[in-house]
Amino acid sequence: NAGVTQTPKFQVLKTGQSMTLQCAQDMNHEYMSWYRQDPGMGLRLIHYSVGAGITDQGEVPNGYNVSRSTTEDFPLRLLSAAPSQTSVYFCASSYSASGRGNTGELFFGEGSRLTVL
Amino acid sequence: GENVEQHPSTLSVQEGDSAVIKCTYSDSASNYFPWYKQELGKRPQLIIDIRSNVGEKKDQRIAVTLNKTAKHFSLHITETQPEDSAVYFCAASIYYGGSQGNLIFGKGTKLSVKP
Repeated sequence: NAGVTQTPKFQVLKTGQSMTLQCAQDMNHEYMSWYRQDPGMGLRLIHYSVGAGITDQGEVPNGYNVSRSTTEDFPLRLLSAAPSQTSVYFCASSYSASGRGNTGELFFGEGSRLTVL
Repeated sequence: GENVEQHPSTLSVQEGDSAVIKCTYSDSASNYFPWYKQELGKRPQLIIDIRSNVGEKKDQRIAVTLNKTAKHFSLHITETQPEDSAVYFCAASIYYGGSQGNLIFGKGTKLSVKP
């Protein structure tokens, strides 16, 4: 198993540009989530999904969209990039029983470092 | 909103000493408390977790204690080694939106173990 795979690993954008961070997992996990990590701020939840077709907002959802058309994929879209979105983004997944959400260990991807100029 | 406070933000110990990191949480409904270790440039990885029906859990040199009444939990690392140097994050499950189980993280503790 590859686990959780994120692409790209690095990206530089100009203010106002849009882009999509890709996330895929091959562990048949129902729960998937996106976090951003900023120095001294820990990991903050952006959006999450408890199963295909179901998404919801986390702590810091503004400026981001997500969709979950399949169990495997959970892309994160930046609609109009701003310098405040410069961060390291982590996708994470976990086993979930019947759409109840995360019930245990989160498996993280390697992260995507985004710089917005 | 709900939050998790983590202390200290940095911790330096001599090899062989013990290290303790403490967290407090605000949501009384939280029932799952994991700890993650993140080495420089790497992804966070789970090292130990505890559920609200247990007061203490141990795994070799690592232990976690939970005080539900006081809403705090702690990570204890004994006989520290240089490879324990990393950033450690505590987390607590919260009911967010329609789902119980989303994790809210503390801001992290940078542990340095000096040989």
